[in-house]
Amino acid sequence: EVQLVESGGDLVQPGGSLRLSCAASGFTFSTYEMNWVRQAPGKGLEWVSYISGSGSTKFYADSVKGRFAISRDNAKNSLYLQINSLRAEDTAVYYCARVNYYDSGDQFDYWGQGTLVTVSA
Amino acid sequence: QLLLTQSPSASASLGASVKLTCTLSSGHSNYAIAWHQQQPEKGPRFLMKVNSDGSHSKGDGIPDRFSGSSSGAERYLTISSLQSDDEADYYCQTWGGGIRVFGGGTKLTVL
Repeated sequence: EVQLVESGGDLVQPGGSLRLSCAASGFTFSTYEMNWVRQAPGKGLEWVSYISGSGSTKFYADSVKGRFAISRDNAKNSLYLQINSLRAEDTAVYYCARVNYYDSGDQFDYWGQGTLVTVSA
Repeated sequence: QLLLTQSPSASASLGASVKLTCTLSSGHSNYAIAWHQQQPEKGPRFLMKVNSDGSHSKGDGIPDRFSGSSSGAERYLTISSLQSDDEADYYCQTWGGGIRVFGGGTKLTVL
């Protein structure tokens, strides 16, 4: 069974930093591209970042470029998101999502349950 | 610019059918999209991918009541025999180059 479990969310002061983790199981993690997606309270889904299976290719939404860093450790079946210089507008539930492998296209085929990041003084 | 547009809300009666629409921005009418369902207080769940020719491929365990289709720049999600737990937010998603894009979501109310 495919499982994605996020952790690391917390209450952080503006300007602070946090590292989110996503533990993957039930599939060959290194084969799959991964993403982070966030959802502010009462709002829709916003794509944040992408990483290839090897970790060599990364993309970011303009809203987080330069402040967020995506990475992965395939030996540990884990995905990470380092978030720096946090702002109030970064308050959201952060989800990790797997990109499908067998069908063409970059649709997300499995999601985690999310971890909450709250930025407040 | 690659954008997806969805109506903010829709409603239909228990046992009826509903068709949700996701519209691709100009110049992107040949793009495939994915539909995701998000029930209250839960993470999203992948429903299906819908191609420009109307063919679709579903996620694991998605019932036959859910189907997809296309017309021009519009991609559709049809849910038949509506059940109470179909009441949820529905998001479309697409991708191009280095970006991934979500529509604003449609809140479906089952009456």
